[in-house]
Amino acid sequence: ETGVTQTPRHLVMGMTNKKSLKCEQHLGHNAMYWYKQSAKKPLELMFVYSLEERVENNSVPSRFSPECPNSSHLFLHLHTLQPEDSALYLCASSRGVLTTYEQYFGPGTRLTVT
Amino acid sequence: DQQVKQNSPSLSVQEGRISILNCDYTNSMFDYFLWYKKYPAEGPTFLISISSIKDKNEDGRFTVFLNKSAKHLSLHIVPSQPGDSAVYFCAASGGSNYKLTFGKGTLLTVNP
Repeated sequence: ETGVTQTPRHLVMGMTNKKSLKCEQHLGHNAMYWYKQSAKKPLELMFVYSLEERVENNSVPSRFSPECPNSSHLFLHLHTLQPEDSALYLCASSRGVLTTYEQYFGPGTRLTVT
Repeated sequence: DQQVKQNSPSLSVQEGRISILNCDYTNSMFDYFLWYKKYPAEGPTFLISISSIKDKNEDGRFTVFLNKSAKHLSLHIVPSQPGDSAVYFCAASGGSNYKLTFGKGTLLTVNP
């Protein structure tokens, strides 16, 4: 399934760096999501965008800054991260926030903060 | 507080036998439940779902059972195949469609 792609697949960054994660969906969906998966924890919803408007910000620290320039692309801008932010970051999309439950996930970006 | 719990971190079964993966939830507002499968280095893939108005949903070798009174659901895979070896996540939604609450996952290993 290559409907949702994420780059880079792996990222190592220092605490003072600024980097961005990119997600692209080729499914014609209207909603996009960022999730965080830490070791031995459930997937945590971070942000939700519907038609490029943010509809959910799940108490995420401001060092994570999402951007959704259009319904196919989603970015997660990272700055001054902490080592505890090391995790797998997953992007997902769905037809819409009100019409369907099923979300389609990308392969994730494995982030290590040193 | 974990609202969706998968109490078995791992499960091992023989090829051809039944695999039963369990999931418990605490939030009575949940009304839609999903199972996802995840292979290493890939994102979770939607497998099967069930609405709270049903108690069973079947799709090929996969069947999900929902017991609302016990707040429990299970995924049955019959017959199990080595290619089914993966991490299985249970997820639930209630009220707002897009907000899924996930369990920690169960690693299923199907031995040839």
